[in-house]
Amino acid sequence: EAGVTQFPSHSVIEKGQTVTLRCDPISGHDNLYWYRRVMGKEIKFLLHFVKESKQDESGMPNNRFLAERTGGTYSTLKVQPAELEDSGVYFCASSQTGGPNYGYTFGSGTRLTVV
Amino acid sequence: GENVEQHPSTLSVQEGDSAVIKCTYSDSASNYFPWYKQELGKGPQLIIDIRSNVGEKKDQRIAVTLNKTAKHFSLHITETQPEDSAVYFCAARVSSGYSTLTFGKGTMLLVSP
Repeated sequence: EAGVTQFPSHSVIEKGQTVTLRCDPISGHDNLYWYRRVMGKEIKFLLHFVKESKQDESGMPNNRFLAERTGGTYSTLKVQPAELEDSGVYFCASSQTGGPNYGYTFGSGTRLTVV
Repeated sequence: GENVEQHPSTLSVQEGDSAVIKCTYSDSASNYFPWYKQELGKGPQLIIDIRSNVGEKKDQRIAVTLNKTAKHFSLHITETQPEDSAVYFCAARVSSGYSTLTFGKGTMLLVSP
């Protein structure tokens, strides 16, 4: 099966610009998660979708971040306007609901650099 | 919420030696503990996990142990090889409802030939 796909793999933008990250989860996975890792720190939770609904968005840093999941399929994460502290690697992961496998499958991430 | 501490942050070993990475967690309700390996340019990949109804699990050269009383769990890699070099993350969650994984800060493992 195809894995979790994220693009772009890298993005360099100037402070104040807008960037949109995209994630295509594994087909049939209802759960979709966004995480972020800032250099040398933990992989930190941002938000969780169940199908098209936001189940938990407690990790979203502020209202400059907007996540959507159209029709319960792919998801986008928009940062507008970007700030220097938004730099990091943004990971998307997906998982099934109710199955024995509680592990997540991660994408390769989008490395965002704000200059 | 859950808090996961991971040590050490970096670990250098010689090929063939064993490596141990330790994690502690704070939420006694957590009952699922996966370990992820992240290689350069790739996303974290699940390598082994353990649930709270077992104390140890082994898969070839890797093993994980869990001490629920002390709220800590460890990853053991034996006979390390250069291809084991990567960043390893521990995580914890309550495996019910819609709880999410909480990760440690990661351990960079370097295996020298």
